[in-house]
Amino acid sequence: GAVVSQHPSWVICKSGTSVKIECRSLDFQATTMFWYRQFPKQSLMLMATSNEGSKATYEQGVEKDKFLINHASLTLSTLTVTSAHPEDSSFYICSASPLAGASGQFFGPGTRLTVL
Amino acid sequence: GESVGLHLPTLSVQEGDNSIINCAYSNSASDYFIWYKQESGKGPQFIIDIRSNMDKRQGQRVTVLLNKTVKHLSLQIAATQPGDSAVYFCAENLYGQNFVFGPGTRLSVLP
Repeated sequence: GAVVSQHPSWVICKSGTSVKIECRSLDFQATTMFWYRQFPKQSLMLMATSNEGSKATYEQGVEKDKFLINHASLTLSTLTVTSAHPEDSSFYICSASPLAGASGQFFGPGTRLTVL
Repeated sequence: GESVGLHLPTLSVQEGDNSIINCAYSNSASDYFIWYKQESGKGPQFIIDIRSNMDKRQGQRVTVLLNKTVKHLSLQIAATQPGDSAVYFCAENLYGQNFVFGPGTRLSVLP
């Protein structure tokens, strides 16, 4: 149980285009979902926290107009990187928690974004 | 905090030996800690957790030790196997708020 999937697993796009990444909890309802970014050889950095049906809470320094997060249902959250640039190339990882808050979160496999 | 480009510390151990991976956490009020394993190109995988009211917790082949006095966590892996090769992160959590991840340690298991 407690499986989280992400789609796509790898995306390559041109600079200036927008990319949507999906995060799904497959066998549980996720009250809270988290989006992380991980640059090579670095740790995970939390970008935002989203609760179903409400606006996401963004970490300091993360542009909410650039990284659009939608948590429309208890099993799906999406991250849209708008007007992507090469510096947005990174590994994006989501996690989901069946509980309010961060305890017990389960991670997705990650999505590698390469912006040319 | 901001991310700084770091060269991941690496621990190399011989197959069959025990591994000890260390982590210093930042907030003395953190009350929940998790060790994650991340293989290349994959998301983090839960290994073991511990709450601040405990000093030690054991799982299958893994043990986590918590020293609150010096804000230090360690992960011990017994009889390290090639499949244990990965990057290991500790994460601290305060009252159910967001997790803060440590910088990670790369474990390389030598044949």
